[in-house]
Amino acid sequence: GIQVEQSPPDLILQEGANSTLRCNFSDSVNNLQWFHQNPWGQLINLFYIPSGTKQNGRLSATTVATERYSLLYISSSQTTDSGVYFCAVNSGGYNKLIFGAGTRLAVHP
Amino acid sequence: EAGVAQSPRYKIIEKRQSVAFWCNPISGHATLYWYQQILGQGPKLLIQFQNNGVVDDSQLPKDRFSAERLKGVDSTLKIQPAKLEDSAVYLCASSLVTGGQETQYFGPGTRLLVL
Repeated sequence: GIQVEQSPPDLILQEGANSTLRCNFSDSVNNLQWFHQNPWGQLINLFYIPSGTKQNGRLSATTVATERYSLLYISSSQTTDSGVYFCAVNSGGYNKLIFGAGTRLAVHP
Repeated sequence: EAGVAQSPRYKIIEKRQSVAFWCNPISGHATLYWYQQILGQGPKLLIQFQNNGVVDDSQLPKDRFSAERLKGVDSTLKIQPAKLEDSAVYLCASSLVTGGQETQYFGPGTRLLVL
C-alpha cells in the first residue's frame, strides 16, 4: 500500500518563527489533507490539497503531485499552533485516508 | 453546524471485558469512519460505512471488533473481549463530497485504557 512519511518528527520553535513541514508519499494520490491535532486530541482539517497551493491566514500548503510531496508552511508561529500535524492521503476508489506519523510541534513564548 | 459527537469521552476497563463506543456524525454526511489512534502514531482506519453499508473493513480485527451503523446515521463500535493492546483513542469521522472534494471531519474521540 501507499506509504506516507513526514518530516521532521519533532520541531521546537520560538513564538514568531516560521517553519516548513514536509510530507512525502509513495504513489499518486487523489486526496491529500493536512490536519492539526491539538493538545486535547481534536483533529482539525487545515487543507484539502491533492495538488496546487492554498493559503489560509498564517498557514499555506503546496502539493507537487508529480514529485509526490506536500509542504505545510506556518508563518509567525503562535503558542496555539502547538500540537501534532498530520498529512493523510488516499489513492484508491474510496476516501480511505492513510496517515503519516505526524510532526510534533511545540511553540514556546 | 454541530460537529461529530462521540461518547463516552473516556473509558477504563479490564482485559477480557467488553466495551462499546457511540458516534453521531454531522447531519447529512453519508460516509462514516472509525479510526484507532495508538499513542504516538497517526490514526488507522478500522471501518468505513457508506450510508448503512460497509465499504471497507479490511483492517478491523473481526474476531473481537464489530461495528454497525443503524439507519445510516449513528454508529456503534464494540470490542469484545478487550486486550491490553486495544488501549488507544477511537476516533469517528464523517464526510461529505462537495464540488468533487471529500473532506473528513473528526469527533473528539474516546480514550480507552485496558488494564
